[in-house]
Amino acid sequence: TQLLEQSPQFLSIQEGENLTVYCNSSSVFSSLQWYRQEPGEGPVLLVTVVTGGEVKKLKRLTFQFGDARKDSSLHITAAQPGDTGLYLCAGANTGNQFYFGTGTSLTVIP
Amino acid sequence: EAGVAQSPRYKIIEKRQSVAFWCNPISGHATLYWYQQILGQGPKLLIQFQNNGVVDDSQLPKDRFSAERLKGVDSTLKIQPAKLEDSAVYLCASNSPGGAGTGELFFGEGSRLTVL
Repeated sequence: TQLLEQSPQFLSIQEGENLTVYCNSSSVFSSLQWYRQEPGEGPVLLVTVVTGGEVKKLKRLTFQFGDARKDSSLHITAAQPGDTGLYLCAGANTGNQFYFGTGTSLTVIP
Repeated sequence: EAGVAQSPRYKIIEKRQSVAFWCNPISGHATLYWYQQILGQGPKLLIQFQNNGVVDDSQLPKDRFSAERLKGVDSTLKIQPAKLEDSAVYLCASNSPGGAGTGELFFGEGSRLTVL
């Protein structure tokens, strides 16, 4: 089992605020993915990062893969109520096993 | 393109009873996964199939859980006998082709199991 710890576990912020979610592991991964899950649905892929040190931007979301490919962060600028959900990181190995993090539940208050 | 289909959406059973969940992945996706997600936590990988062969079942509690993918398409996950701690959402996912560890997982809506 490859454990990925996310922090914080819960986050409640006002609309317009910025936030960062962290995903840490002692294992090295081929890639690191971020998913968002809404109640009653399966997770949906937001981004895949592959190269150590890689930074990807998706509108107001910025994703970074650590240099050692063991950790990642997700930064949201000017959060909106539509960003509310469970954010999950997932580390993948070359065997296509995807191990999910412990999850961060985000609530954005209008 | 049709997504990953799962059934049933909800199931309530008594402990020690048995239950089965069904999954139909996206057409053409060779890799299929079953995950267990306890409320508020991240999904835990139970088993990974490549076509009709098992790639990884190291976290599957084999004394009570079984899974099969006989023709390399549909899959069934069975629990017998169920325990209270099996209450969770069982998610099925299939993997789009990509480089090793870079493909996208497509999930079904999940099957929510409550064991009383």
